Amino acid sequence: DVKVTQSSRYLVKRTGEKVFLECVQDMDHENMFWYRQDPGLGLRLIYFSYDVKMKEKGDIPEGYSVSREKKERFSLILESASTNQTSMYLCASSFLGVANTGELFFGEGSRLTVL
Amino acid sequence: GESVGLHLPTLSVQEGDNSIINCAYSNSASDYFIWYKQESGKGPQFIIDIRSNMDKRQGQRVTVLLNKTVKHLSLQIAATQPGDSAVYFCAETRSGAGSYQLTFGKGTKLSVIP
Repeated sequence: DVKVTQSSRYLVKRTGEKVFLECVQDMDHENMFWYRQDPGLGLRLIYFSYDVKMKEKGDIPEGYSVSREKKERFSLILESASTNQTSMYLCASSFLGVANTGELFFGEGSRLTVL
Repeated sequence: GESVGLHLPTLSVQEGDNSIINCAYSNSASDYFIWYKQESGKGPQFIIDIRSNMDKRQGQRVTVLLNKTVKHLSLQIAATQPGDSAVYFCAETRSGAGSYQLTFGKGTKLSVIP
């Protein structure tokens, strides 16, 4: 069964703290994504990665960075958390190749509150 | 249908009735569309997809209709059940990019009345 695991379901941090959100997938997928989900705004892409050590900005990369040192792991980093980064963060992965259907497999989300 | 504001559109349907969830997409170059279902406390899950060379595709109790002329997508759920209660997102993309970056709609909340 396909699995995308996000390390923390709920986090509470203070303004200015550095925050790491970890995501691991066990499907050997090339692509990994970080989305942010806010009520009424849907899912917005922060960053994505096609391969190890490769990253591309999404629609809202400001205030975030990412790291992909291993194929199965994609980390989202908030260098200095701010209250407007309080949100639900969703990690996803997909297969890259001729059989690519575009289907994303999502983790269960990490709800971050910044005080 | 999809909203551009902060309020999530809500559709309330009696159990056993059919549900129709609508989505207007913006990019005329998009040629691949997906519907996702997100239950409370979970990540979105794939329901059904359709490519632009089709105007209808059926799955188990679900049908997706695509009208490219007016850039409209709909998801029909037959005999709606309580387990169908969730937020539904449409997503669009243009194939050929390799990794299929999806653009998501803002979601519609489906509530099933027992």
